[in-house]
Amino acid sequence: DAKTTQPNSMESNEEEPVHLPCNHSTISGTDYIHWYRQLPSQGPEYVIHGLTSNVNNRMASLAIAEDRKSSTLILHRATLRDAAVYYCIPTKTGANNLFFGTGTRLTVIP
Amino acid sequence: GAVVSQHPSRVICKSGTSVKIECRSLDFQATTMFWYRQFPKQSLMLMATSNEGSKATYEQGVEKDKFLINHASLTLSTLTVTSAHPEDSSFYICSADPEGGYNEQFFGPGTRLTVL
Repeated sequence: DAKTTQPNSMESNEEEPVHLPCNHSTISGTDYIHWYRQLPSQGPEYVIHGLTSNVNNRMASLAIAEDRKSSTLILHRATLRDAAVYYCIPTKTGANNLFFGTGTRLTVIP
Repeated sequence: GAVVSQHPSRVICKSGTSVKIECRSLDFQATTMFWYRQFPKQSLMLMATSNEGSKATYEQGVEKDKFLINHASLTLSTLTVTSAHPEDSSFYICSADPEGGYNEQFFGPGTRLTVL
């Protein structure tokens, strides 16, 4: 499984955009890139996923580098409810088990 | 959206007793469910994959005789921590992989186990 490197923590002011980076330089050509987040004392929740193209949904945007060795999760306007640990997880096509790394703890400042 | 529940949400037990944790998919069927363990300030660690109608697949280092998994129906998986000890105290989280081409897993709210 591809290893990931994420900053341990990041801070953002409320209502400002947040860019959460993830390095996954050992990703294979068919691995998807999933992002999940975990709010305090809760189970994780799905945020977004992609393969090669940038992706947008109601929660966030995912920008994937052309060489696929890194990706960036973009929260367009951080709210206090976005304070969580964000995990980027490469997943093999057809596989459904998730291996969580250490993630990035996002703090949103009012 | 798809909902996964866990019961109980928290449990305190004495050392040496067994504890059963239930994971249910409330509005969808799941052939496959997963069990994770999370220690304080650490990430989730995948313990095992629970397969409906067959034996669970355990990750390396997870004792299958200590953590018994039963997936008797398409909406229920149970994890039994046998002869629990204080070092088993942790946050146990399940997830379910819905049938039908979903690209995400749905996680339960977790069960906090404290072994005295």
